[in-house]
Amino acid sequence: DIQMTQSPSTLSASVGDTVTITCRASQNINLFLAWYQQKPGKAPKVLIYRASTLVSGVPSRFSGSGSATEFTLTISSVQPDDFATYHCQEYSTYQHIFGQGTRLEIK
Amino acid sequence: DVQLVESGGGLVKPGGSLRLSCVASGFTFSSYTMNWVRQTPGKGLQWVSSISTSGTYTYYADSLKGRFTISRDNAKNSLYLQINDVRAEDTAIYFCARDRDSYDSTPDCFDVWGQGTVVTVSS
Repeated sequence: DIQMTQSPSTLSASVGDTVTITCRASQNINLFLAWYQQKPGKAPKVLIYRASTLVSGVPSRFSGSGSATEFTLTISSVQPDDFATYHCQEYSTYQHIFGQGTRLEIK
Repeated sequence: DVQLVESGGGLVKPGGSLRLSCVASGFTFSSYTMNWVRQTPGKGLQWVSSISTSGTYTYYADSLKGRFTISRDNAKNSLYLQINDVRAEDTAIYFCARDRDSYDSTPDCFDVWGQGTVVTVSS
C-alpha cells in the first residue's frame, strides 16, 4: 500500500512569510497529488491538483510542485486567511491515501 | 449552487448498523463518480469508498472492506453508505465528496464536499 508522509505536522509563521509543506509518497504516484485546505468545522477545499495545477479561484500565492514521490506546497506571503490545516492526497489508485495534515498556525 | 448535504449520522451502539445519505444539487449527479471520506481527530482524513457514475463499480479502502457498502440512486440524486457491525473506531465525521472531473473512470481528487455528518459509536 502507498503511504503518504506529510511534514511538518505543525508550522508556525507570521503574515508575509513564505512557507513550504512537504508530502512524500512511498512509491511513484506520477503527478496524482492534490492539496487541500481545511478550516475548523469545515470540509476540506481543494487548492491544487495534478501536483501543480491551481484550482480556479485559488490565490496565486499557493503553488505546488514535485512528481513521482516528492511534492511540495508553497504559500508565498502568508495571509491571515491562510492559517488552517493542509492535507495532501494521492489519487494514483482507488485507495486515495491522505497525508497526516499540517497545521499552519500564527507565530 | 453546487451542493452536497449529508444526513443519517448519530449515536449508534457497537455492533449496530446505520445508513448515511448524501443528496446532491446544482450539478448533473449521474455524471460524477462519488465518494465517502471520514475524518477522526486521531487519524485525519481517510478515504472510505467510491462509486462509479452508474453504480457498476465500487471501491473500498482495504482496511474497511466487508462492513461498508456504497450505493447511489441517480434518479434521486442521492449517495448512500451502509455501515454494519459498527465499531468504536468508526466514530468520525463522514463527508461525501464529488470527483473533480465528470465521466472520468480513473481515480481523481475531490472538488465538492458536503458539510459532513457525525457518527458516534458508543454503548
